Amino acid sequence: DAGVIQSPRHEVTEMGQEVTLRCKPISGHNSLFWYRQTMMRGLELLIYFNNNVPIDDSGMPEDRFSAKMPNASFSTLKIQPSEPRDSAVYFCASMDGGPSNQPQHFGDGTRLSIL
Amino acid sequence: EDQVTQSPEALRLQEGESSSLNCSYTVSGLRGLFWYRQDPGKGPEFLFTLYSAGEEKEKERLKATLTKKESFLHITAPKPEDSATYLCAVRQTGANNLFFGTGTRLTVIP
Repeated sequence: DAGVIQSPRHEVTEMGQEVTLRCKPISGHNSLFWYRQTMMRGLELLIYFNNNVPIDDSGMPEDRFSAKMPNASFSTLKIQPSEPRDSAVYFCASMDGGPSNQPQHFGDGTRLSIL
Repeated sequence: EDQVTQSPEALRLQEGESSSLNCSYTVSGLRGLFWYRQDPGKGPEFLFTLYSAGEEKEKERLKATLTKKESFLHITAPKPEDSATYLCAVRQTGANNLFFGTGTRLTVIP
């Protein structure tokens, strides 16, 4: 079975540019999560969707960050304008939500470097 | 506020030298405690879910246990391929999101 697919795997861009990260969740999963991982702060939840609807975006750092889930098989995380402090590894995870208390399954991340 | 503290931050073991990793947590109503393994350049890989105090789960050389305040990941006779960062996360009652600790980086030396 295909896991969570993220693209691109690596992104290097200059400060001020727009960055778009993409995620395809596992088919049939109805919850999707975006995380950011840094050495200092570990894994931090940015936003999560349930049935394509944003449920909790309290982890989004500021208005420069936005996320969308136009359908059950695709989500984007956009940073505009990007800043050097946004450099991190961004992970997408999906889960079969609901009462069954399932684990989240992660993609292999996008390593973002803002110069 | 949910808190998850993992210790030690890093651990070096000789091959075959058993040890334990600790995950202390504070959460208002535990729905589940999750252990993940993360290899360099990869996303976290799910290992175990523990739901209630006293529960234990095993997988090969790994055994996870849970009390009301902490979880342990016991590694018996580790091999170099067990080298990875081990992450602990908690899920609060009524929630779907996870709150992660900062991990323990395990190195097993041949």
